[in-house]
Amino acid sequence: GENVEQHPSTLSVQEGDSAVIKCTYSDSASNYFPWYKQELGKRPQLIIDIRSNVGEKKDQRIAVTLNKTAKHFSLHITETQPEDSAVYFCAASVEAGNMLTFGGGTRLMVKP
Amino acid sequence: DGGITQSPKYLFRKEGQNVTLSCEQNLNHDAMYWYRQDPGQGLRLIYYSQIVNDFQKGDIAEGYSVSREKKESFPLTVTSAQKNPTAFYLCASKRQGGSYEQYFGPGTRLTVT
Repeated sequence: GENVEQHPSTLSVQEGDSAVIKCTYSDSASNYFPWYKQELGKRPQLIIDIRSNVGEKKDQRIAVTLNKTAKHFSLHITETQPEDSAVYFCAASVEAGNMLTFGGGTRLMVKP
Repeated sequence: DGGITQSPKYLFRKEGQNVTLSCEQNLNHDAMYWYRQDPGQGLRLIYYSQIVNDFQKGDIAEGYSVSREKKESFPLTVTSAQKNPTAFYLCASKRQGGSYEQYFGPGTRLTVT
């Protein structure tokens, strides 16, 4: 089955700096890659996703890039703010968003 | 917080007892999912259902059971056969076709002693 690895497990940045979180996946048939943000004690919420027919997607300060050949995808957050502090999870899916396999998560801390 | 609800928020049980976690959604979504989250770890899929009266095992189904008698409801039973049941349980739902996004409920924290 699919295996998703996520790095780093913790990331500390200064407010205003950029943050990059990387994930690799094993199943070349995976075609959907969402990123979820989970604040302490709350539910995960989708912040951005990408399908395998595109290489990059942006939404304001957040972007995701996908390299299908290398089987890795990354989350980029620019101009980080304290409210970006949370745990971020990447995931991969072979069938239209069903059967998501999640990475282990990255705890992002943005220092004011 | 509307759309998908889970109850209760916290649940305490003695070892050897079965316990059922509730998940209800009013989003008219066809697919529903149960995940388990352990401290410092990602989410692992327990069971999922794409349609009423049908469900499939996920990666860690042993010791769990589900039912899907109504579109709105997907309860999860943690049985006494689950060796390490203490965890945070998250339910999610998704509309089939179109958007691939899974919407999560607020979760139930189960503690078994």
